[in-house]
Amino acid sequence: TQLLEQSPQFLSIQEGENLTVYCNSSSVFSSLQWYRQEPGEGPVLLVTVVTGGEVKKLKRLTFQFGDARKDSSLHITAAQPGDTGLYLCAGGVPGGKLIFGQGTELSVKP
Amino acid sequence: GAGVSQTPSNKVTEKGKYVELRCDPISGHTALYWYRQSLGQGPEFLIYFQGTGAADDSGLPNDRFFAVRPEGSVSTLKIQRTERGDSAVYLCASSGGGGAADTQYFGPGTRLTVL
Repeated sequence: TQLLEQSPQFLSIQEGENLTVYCNSSSVFSSLQWYRQEPGEGPVLLVTVVTGGEVKKLKRLTFQFGDARKDSSLHITAAQPGDTGLYLCAGGVPGGKLIFGQGTELSVKP
Repeated sequence: GAGVSQTPSNKVTEKGKYVELRCDPISGHTALYWYRQSLGQGPEFLIYFQGTGAADDSGLPNDRFFAVRPEGSVSTLKIQRTERGDSAVYLCASSGGGGAADTQYFGPGTRLTVL
């Protein structure tokens, strides 16, 4: 069974601080996707990484896929209250289904 | 509409009853997925359709759960003899191809409450 362990589960920080969310597995994934979910809505894709060692940047967000394609991280620089939400990592497997981590509930206080 | 839609948005039912949850994917998307999300957890895969056929139903928890997609577009998730443990948000997603790196577009979900 493929599992993704996401940490931390909860994170409460002040505006302007930096943070990193981790996603780890003992399994290799074809891709690693990061989603953000607001209350009452479905997850919305932020980024997909497919190559081991790949780094992608999206404004203040930096995503990294581990060399062995078993782990990933999301780093947010200078967090803002608008970054508040649930962040989910998901591993893509052949056949297309996604294996999700437990999620990280981020709260950024002004 | 441009996105994935799900109906109803909320469903309250009594233990033992039958429920149907509907998903309208993005037009032209051949792949359709159902996930279940319990409070404080990430979504959990249930079933994946490629066209009209269920390509992977390994996530369905038991035989009370069944899903169909008869014309390769709209899908219905059916739950028989509902139990309190079935209470969760049921999410539907669609993608253009069904590959491991394809973007899945999620609907807002149906919140099912079994009393």
